[in-house]
Amino acid sequence: NAGVMQNPRHLVRRRGQEARLRCSPMKGHSHVYWYRQLPEEGLKFMVYLQKENIIDESGMPKERFSAEFPKEGPSILRIQQVVRGDSAAYFCASSPGTSGSNEQFFGPGTRLTVL
Amino acid sequence: AQSVTQLDSQVPVFEEAPVELRCNYSSSVSVYLFWYVQYPNQGLQLLLKYLSGSTLVKGINGFEAEFNKSQTSFHLRKPSVHISDTAEYFCAVSPPTGGYQKVTFGIGTKLQVIP
Repeated sequence: NAGVMQNPRHLVRRRGQEARLRCSPMKGHSHVYWYRQLPEEGLKFMVYLQKENIIDESGMPKERFSAEFPKEGPSILRIQQVVRGDSAAYFCASSPGTSGSNEQFFGPGTRLTVL
Repeated sequence: AQSVTQLDSQVPVFEEAPVELRCNYSSSVSVYLFWYVQYPNQGLQLLLKYLSGSTLVKGINGFEAEFNKSQTSFHLRKPSVHISDTAEYFCAVSPPTGGYQKVTFGIGTKLQVIP
């Protein structure tokens, strides 16, 4: 039973390019969360999605960032026109979505470096 | 609104010594509490969780935590640490009801075990 999968694990982009980060939740999980981790700043919530719906995007920057979780396929976090400040580790987590402990299961992360 | 405070950003400790990582939370409602561990270049892994019942919670790798409602704390402890415990530890809190309830993470405590 595979856990949460993220790819790529490492991504290098030049300023102005686009970055696409993918997340496949655990089997049977319908809820996906994206977090950004900056050095010395901890884990910051970005967005929460269910299949085909954005439930909470209160942590997403207003510009250049978008997320989706289509009916088929992985969840995608997209960053357009990347800047150096976007360099960080981006983590995806998933949960079953039914009432329970709210435990989230994390992927290994994508480390984005913007040159 | 809920928040989590991890008072210590770094905790150095000698191998085989005991350790306590502190976590305090604030919330206007009852909560679920979690401790996650992050090893270098990996995602977060659940160590233990408090949902209800006994205030002393035992987790993986010999860790335990005690929920203290009057002090709004959930400190993590281990009686004897190993080199392999070197990692970053995150305390997290969420409201206890089912469905979507945002999990709020602390900024993390880096545990450095010294040989």
